[in-house]
Amino acid sequence: GDSVTQMEGPVTLSEEAFLTINCTYTATGYPSLFWYVQYPGEGLQLLLKATKADDKGSNKGFEATYRKETTSFHLEKGSVQVSDSAVYFCALMLSNFGNEKLTFGTGTRLTIIP
Amino acid sequence: DAGVTQSPTHLIKTRGQQVTLRCSPKSGHDTVSWYQQALGQGPQFIFQYYEEEERQRGNFPDRFSGHQFPNYSSELNVNALLLGDSALYLCASSLAAGGRYTQYFGPGTRLTVL
Repeated sequence: GDSVTQMEGPVTLSEEAFLTINCTYTATGYPSLFWYVQYPGEGLQLLLKATKADDKGSNKGFEATYRKETTSFHLEKGSVQVSDSAVYFCALMLSNFGNEKLTFGTGTRLTIIP
Repeated sequence: DAGVTQSPTHLIKTRGQQVTLRCSPKSGHDTVSWYQQALGQGPQFIFQYYEEEERQRGNFPDRFSGHQFPNYSSELNVNALLLGDSALYLCASSLAAGGRYTQYFGPGTRLTVL
């Protein structure tokens, strides 16, 4: 079945450090890929998405590129801030009408220290 | 523009009881999906409603049921509660016909079963 594998956490970085959170996927078709972020005590917020191979999603300084050849969608940010501390989820969705469930990874907890 | 809203915020029940959770989708959205997020895990898909019918279902028992109303709002019902049903229940809405099916999440309802 479809699945998402995320980098094991937790991840702790100093402010202004470079961030990479790895995400790979297995899917029977051609999925859309997403990164969601969850702040403490809150629901999920869409961070960025990509719907086809070689697309780059970006938002708030975060970027991720859809790599079909390596089935990956790694999240990166050049300089993290304390406010980026949260849990990050990679997810996929097969883009077929009527089959729109999101399949999530287990999440990566990120803590940024000043 | 109102986002996805859920009620109640928190709920405490005892084993064997029944619970109803409610969700109002983002304005203009017609599809509602429900997810269960156990502590420290990624969300798991329960089911999705479109045009007042269950369109897709994840690997959850029949104790989990739902409904969608003509105004697109939705309810999740869980009967015969078990301790293992304790989780954050997330509702997500989307527009079936556009946006490449991006789902937007509400803040969730935290259910505790004692």
